Amino acid sequence: AQRVTQPEKLLSVFKGAPVELKCNYSYSGSPELFWYVQYSRQRLQLLLRHISRESIKGFTADLNKGETSFHLKKPFAQEEDSAMYYCALSGGGSYIPTFGRGTSLIVHP
Amino acid sequence: DSGVTQTPKHLITATGQRVTLRCSPRSGDLSVYWYQQSLDQGLQFLIQYYNGEERAKGNILERFSAQQFPDLHSELNLSSLELGDSALYFCASSVGQRGTEAFFGQGTRLTVV
Repeated sequence: AQRVTQPEKLLSVFKGAPVELKCNYSYSGSPELFWYVQYSRQRLQLLLRHISRESIKGFTADLNKGETSFHLKKPFAQEEDSAMYYCALSGGGSYIPTFGRGTSLIVHP
Repeated sequence: DSGVTQTPKHLITATGQRVTLRCSPRSGDLSVYWYQQSLDQGLQFLIQYYNGEERAKGNILERFSAQQFPDLHSELNLSSLELGDSALYFCASSVGQRGTEAFFGQGTRLTVV
């Protein structure tokens, strides 16, 4: 079975502070990991995927297979980063992502 | 705008009732996915249709059913509604069958009173 755990329901930081949203997963094979973001009153959208190894809006995420983690990081948070962030996993030939419960990020001015 | 259209945006109904949620996928997309987002369960995959046929099933209750029509729009039917069915229901669509490449709609907020 595959599972995604986001231990923090809420993460509150000040503008300019570093941000790390934690994601741990459970999966026996080689998963694909993703981060999705949902801004207030907007649709859920893909932020980044581990296979792309890209930085989107200053966010990066590295897959750590040893620790089964895929934490999302940004060195300097901005107020516009305030949103709900979901970590997701797909694997085993299934391309339906399994989502974590999400972390609400609030960036204070 | 993502091009995935969901109607209605809000729905309030009583327990025991039946409702239908509608989703129009992006032009050219053949797959439609339904998700339920609730406070206690997070984002849960319900069901996927591809070109009119059911492709994958997730945590969908027997009281719920869905279908995809020849014009590719989809409907999610929820019956014998309970208070716990109150949630945001998302539809997403993709060209192929990869849910990881799906674009999401803005959701229908269902409140059961």
